[in-house]
Amino acid sequence: AQKITQTQPGMFVQEKEAVTLDCTYDTSDQSYGLFWYKQPSSGEMIFLIYQGSYDEQNATEGRYSLNFQKARKSANLVISASQLGDSAMYFCAMSPINTNAGKSTFGDGTTLTVKP
Amino acid sequence: EAQVTQNPRYLITVTGKKLTVTCSQNMNHEYMSWYRQDPGLGLRQIYYSMNVEVTDKGDVPEGYKVSRKEKRNFPLILESPSPNQTSLYFCASSAGSGTAYSPLHFGNGTRLTVT
Repeated sequence: AQKITQTQPGMFVQEKEAVTLDCTYDTSDQSYGLFWYKQPSSGEMIFLIYQGSYDEQNATEGRYSLNFQKARKSANLVISASQLGDSAMYFCAMSPINTNAGKSTFGDGTTLTVKP
Repeated sequence: EAQVTQNPRYLITVTGKKLTVTCSQNMNHEYMSWYRQDPGLGLRQIYYSMNVEVTDKGDVPEGYKVSRKEKRNFPLILESPSPNQTSLYFCASSAGSGTAYSPLHFGNGTRLTVT
């Protein structure tokens, strides 16, 4: 079984500062994909960044980067230069590549509030 | 515009009255899935489909049915809704045969209330 743990129900960050949202996972699969999604107050789900378990380099997408530490089973999201529009709920998710391909597991989410 | 369309956006119904939430995608994606979102519980997968006529259970399939007769459509059926199925539901699709490589494209959600 897969499990995603996001230990920070809520986080605050000052505008223009960087923030790290934690995500740890547990899986018996050897190969998997890790994702982060953003859910603004309007409710839609927006894909942010992807990391494959086999990727040696950490993923980056603009102001988003994923701090992937495979041995520790962590996939933390780093947002640099926070903006007011970054205030939202953030979900970490994973999907196995081989066994149970098609299953996807989400964490409980972290609500980020950016202060002006 | 590439999108996943869910209908209706809001639905209030009574216990036991069968309902269907429709989901359609125009991206020719093979993979589609349904999730429910409840406060403090994140998103939980209900059912998924790797291709036409291929469906499988997610983590919380009880009380739900799905079908995948066409590639673009993946309706969610509640044959006898109960109040514990009050939730926000999302349909999603993904390129390829699974979600391990490609991100999910989500619909806008359906807020269901069962009284």
